[in-house]
Amino acid sequence: DVKVTQSSRYLVKRTGEKVFLECVQDMDHENMFWYRQDPGLGLRLIYFSYDVKMKEKGDIPEGYSVSREKKERFSLILESASTNQTSMYLCASSLRTSLSSYEQYFGPGTRLTVT
Amino acid sequence: QKEVEQNSGPLSVPEGAIASLNCTYSDRGSQSFFWYRQYSGKSPELIMFIYSNGDKEDGRFTAQLNKASQYVSLLIRDSQPSDSATYLCAVNPGREAGKSTFGDGTTLTVKP
Repeated sequence: DVKVTQSSRYLVKRTGEKVFLECVQDMDHENMFWYRQDPGLGLRLIYFSYDVKMKEKGDIPEGYSVSREKKERFSLILESASTNQTSMYLCASSLRTSLSSYEQYFGPGTRLTVT
Repeated sequence: QKEVEQNSGPLSVPEGAIASLNCTYSDRGSQSFFWYRQYSGKSPELIMFIYSNGDKEDGRFTAQLNKASQYVSLLIRDSQPSDSATYLCAVNPGREAGKSTFGDGTTLTVKP
């Protein structure tokens, strides 16, 4: 079974703090993704990565950065947390083998509250 | 126009009925299509994927794809209360390996 783990289920931070969200997958997947999910707005892609040290902006990268130093680990960084970054953050991973697959496996999510 | 649109919910069906969930997409070059189920407070999990025109069946679930109409659907036969969840349609355009666009989801309630 594919396993994607995230460092925290719940996190409370103050405005202006630097926040690190960690994601680890154990199935040697090439692709990793960070999304945020908000009521009424669906899943929105923040950043994704096809390989170690590679990253691509998603639909809403402003206020976020990422790091992928090892294949199994993909970190999301909020440089200076703001209240509008309060959300559920979901990490996902997938293979990059053929166009007919690419199903994504999600971690349990981190509910971040910025006060 | 959104890239992936799902029929607005919520959708409510009685136990034992067929639930029909629909999704349209705008990128005609899209190559693979996914249905994820998300229970309240949980993360999405894949239930079906399809990439060829026609039907694909897996137990009580059937995915249907019509690329000419840019339409993909999910049918759930003999719906159970445990099927109550939000169903997300995701489309992979094929241009950026592995990147999918998700619809906003349709919330299904199956009433006993």
